[in-house]
Amino acid sequence: DIQVTQSPASLSASLEEIVTITCQASQDIGNFLSWYQQKPGKSPQLLIHSATSLADGVPSRFSGSRSGTQYSLRINRLQVEDTGIYYCLQHYSAPRTFGGGTKLELK
Amino acid sequence: QVQLQQSRAELVKPAASVTLSCKASGYTFTNHYLHWVKQSPSQGLEWIGWIGPTNVNANYAQEFKGKATMTVDTSASTTYLHLSSLTSDDSAVYYCAREYDGGYFYFDYWGQGVLVTVSS
Repeated sequence: DIQVTQSPASLSASLEEIVTITCQASQDIGNFLSWYQQKPGKSPQLLIHSATSLADGVPSRFSGSRSGTQYSLRINRLQVEDTGIYYCLQHYSAPRTFGGGTKLELK
Repeated sequence: QVQLQQSRAELVKPAASVTLSCKASGYTFTNHYLHWVKQSPSQGLEWIGWIGPTNVNANYAQEFKGKATMTVDTSASTTYLHLSSLTSDDSAVYYCAREYDGGYFYFDYWGQGVLVTVSS
């Protein structure tokens, strides 16, 4: 099975700050990684797909990048509404595996 | 618009079974695979498996083989998740999610989730 290690587990940042969350895959998964945001009591929502592509309707301050088997989600100029839990998902092969999540709070 | 409408919350007794539903609308049901995901406080998001829209193909995570059974009623655009021999470890929110059909297999739409509570 492909393991996905997400870091950090939690993060506190200030408004307008740049935030970066990373996921490390245990093997090559190409661009088969996506990022999701989850608000309390809500289902996860797609932010980034195919490692670097912004999902429809997602603000442009969100971006995704890839370097080998390391994937990053970057939030430029953090906003209040960006708080929540962020997950990555590898969809290269079954079983699909999620990162452990990053809880993002405002400082 | 695409919607995945899940069934209501369930309170079930230990050792019992439960069937959850996820009704799709706003798209051609037979064009997309569907997945089920478990979310419990202690385990984050866990992938249960996927099922093809015509009920022919399904794939389960090893941890859910024998626990979960996915089925599809294509005529009703609905997928079902049957969970058996329930224990407190099965108490969680269960989501269905649609797989994008363009070759990258990410989850582009999710249901609202259904809370299953296993308690006597």
